[in-house]
Amino acid sequence: AQKVTQAQTEISVVEKEDVTLDCVYETRDTTYYLFWYKQPPSGELVFLIRRNSFDEQNEISGRYSWNFQKSTSSFNFTITASQVVDSAVYFCALSEVDNYGQNFVFGPGTRLSVLP
Amino acid sequence: DTGVSQDPRHKITKRGQNVTFRCDPISEHNRLYWYRQTLGQGPEFLTYFQNEAQLEKSRLLSDRFSAERPKGSFSTLEIQRTEQGDSAMYLCASSLEIGGSDTQYFGPGTRLTVL
Repeated sequence: AQKVTQAQTEISVVEKEDVTLDCVYETRDTTYYLFWYKQPPSGELVFLIRRNSFDEQNEISGRYSWNFQKSTSSFNFTITASQVVDSAVYFCALSEVDNYGQNFVFGPGTRLSVLP
Repeated sequence: DTGVSQDPRHKITKRGQNVTFRCDPISEHNRLYWYRQTLGQGPEFLTYFQNEAQLEKSRLLSDRFSAERPKGSFSTLEIQRTEQGDSAMYLCASSLEIGGSDTQYFGPGTRLTVL
């Protein structure tokens, strides 16, 4: 069965610090997709990134970067020079595709507080 | 605005009543998902549609829940005989499935409170 673990329930940092959010997943499939979503206090989930299981290249988008390591089943998310607006709950998610359709599982989330 | 919309945004009902929520996906998205999210938890998958066909339904979903997407566009989620445990945020997402998987874009949610 698929599973997503985000061991950090809450993280607090001071503005301009770098912060890494951990995500560890379990799957028996060789083909799968990993996602990160942001849920700000307003409540609406915002898509950040999708990565397929065959692409282990790290990705950088502005202050955001993602480190995908199949060997450790991890897909960690780093925010560089954090800002107060980064305060939100961040969810990692896993999607598998099998003969019965698509399974999509979210982790429990990590609440990030960036203090001024 | 071309994002996913949900109506109503808030619903308060008494235990035992039926409620219906609506979701309008992003135009031309062929997949539509329903999730439930309770405080402090990640979204929990309920069901999803590919066009008008309901392809998967969570085994955890009670028979009191039913969803439709009659014309492959908007969808409705009905909860019959609501219980206090149904209180949650109900999220809808849509996506365009290409090559076996997709990226889901979420609506603002409908917050249900059952008294």
